[in-house]
Amino acid sequence: AQTVTQSQPEMSVQEAETVTLSCTYDTSESNYYLFWYKQPPSRQMILVIRQEAYKQQNATENRFSVNFQKAAKSFSLKISDSQLGDTAMYFCAYHFLQGGSEKLVFGKGTKLTVNP
Amino acid sequence: ETGVTQTPRHLVMGMTNKKSLKCEQHLGHNAMYWYKQSAKKPLELMFVYNFKEQTENNSVPSRFSPECPNSSHLFLHLHTLQPEDSALYLCASSQLGLAVAGELFFGEGSRLTVL
Repeated sequence: AQTVTQSQPEMSVQEAETVTLSCTYDTSESNYYLFWYKQPPSRQMILVIRQEAYKQQNATENRFSVNFQKAAKSFSLKISDSQLGDTAMYFCAYHFLQGGSEKLVFGKGTKLTVNP
Repeated sequence: ETGVTQTPRHLVMGMTNKKSLKCEQHLGHNAMYWYKQSAKKPLELMFVYNFKEQTENNSVPSRFSPECPNSSHLFLHLHTLQPEDSALYLCASSQLGLAVAGELFFGEGSRLTVL
């Protein structure tokens, strides 16, 4: 079964500091995609960053970057210069094809609090 | 309006009631999804519709009945629910070819409480 594990239910960080959220996944596929989504309190979930498994270069979006370790099946998210607006639930997700259908499996999420 | 809109935002119902959740997307997408979000659990995919056709039913109990009259609208009809069905129900849309398109677009969710 395809699974996504986020081992940190909650984390906190001081404003302007750097924090890393961890994610591991289980798959036998070689081609797949990984995503980090952000869900602010009472607001819509939005995409933060995506990574194609066939690309060795780690994806970066402004203050957000990933550390993709394919052999270890690890996909961590690093947030630099944390801002109060980064306070949210963060979900790691894994996309794959099964029987011609696209599947997106989410982890349980990490609640991140940025403190002033 | 833009994006994905869900109504109602909050719903309280008894176990014998019948209610419906509505989702509308203004993004021109051709795929729509229902997810269930419960505390401390991964998001659970419930249903997927591609071009109005249901392509996924993730073993959802029949007390949840989806309807997709067109590519822009998605409903979730609820009847004889159980207290454990209380959760946040999220609607999402995307272009087919999810990975190529890059992302799901989510609504703000409908918070359902079953008494």
